[in-house]
Amino acid sequence: AQRVTQPEKLLSVFKGAPVELKCNYSYSGSPELFWYVQYSRQRLQLLLRHISRESIKGFTADLNKGETSFHLKKPFAQEEDSAMYYCALSGGGANNLFFGTGTRLTVIP
Amino acid sequence: ETGVTQSPTHLIKTRGQQVTLRCSSQSGHNTVSWYQQALGQGPQFIFQYYREEENGRGNFPPRFSGLQFPNYSSELNVNALELDDSALYLCASSLDPGIYEQYFGPGTRLTVT
Repeated sequence: AQRVTQPEKLLSVFKGAPVELKCNYSYSGSPELFWYVQYSRQRLQLLLRHISRESIKGFTADLNKGETSFHLKKPFAQEEDSAMYYCALSGGGANNLFFGTGTRLTVIP
Repeated sequence: ETGVTQSPTHLIKTRGQQVTLRCSSQSGHNTVSWYQQALGQGPQFIFQYYREEENGRGNFPPRFSGLQFPNYSSELNVNALELDDSALYLCASSLDPGIYEQYFGPGTRLTVT
């Protein structure tokens, strides 16, 4: 069975500090991992996906199959990064997403 | 390009009633997925429709059903509403059932009393 765990419900960092949002997953096959973000009063939107290996808005995430993790990182947090972040998994070629419970990131000016 | 739209925005129903939620997919998208997001939780997959057929279902009882129309818009129907059905219902569309980016709508907030 699929499972996505985001251990931190709330995370606060100061502007300019590094930020890491943790995500661990459980899946028997080869998963596709995603990070979705929801800014205040906006809809849920894709931030990045591991197969793209991109850096979006300064964020990166590396899939670590050994540790079954897909942590989201940014070296210098900005106030506009404050949002709700969800880690999600898709498996077996299907497009249905399994989401974690989310981490609310607050960047303190 | 028109984004995903959902209606209504909010809805209040009584336990035991039936409800229909609507979703218009983004232009050019033929796949619609529905999610339930309870308070403080991440979205949970209900089912997906591709070219008017159900194309995968999550762990939801049969009283949750859906439809997709030839223009790829979709409906979510819930019968015999229970208090635990109170949640935000999200619709997402994508280009194809494969692993493509899903574009989410703003959601419908359902309250069951």
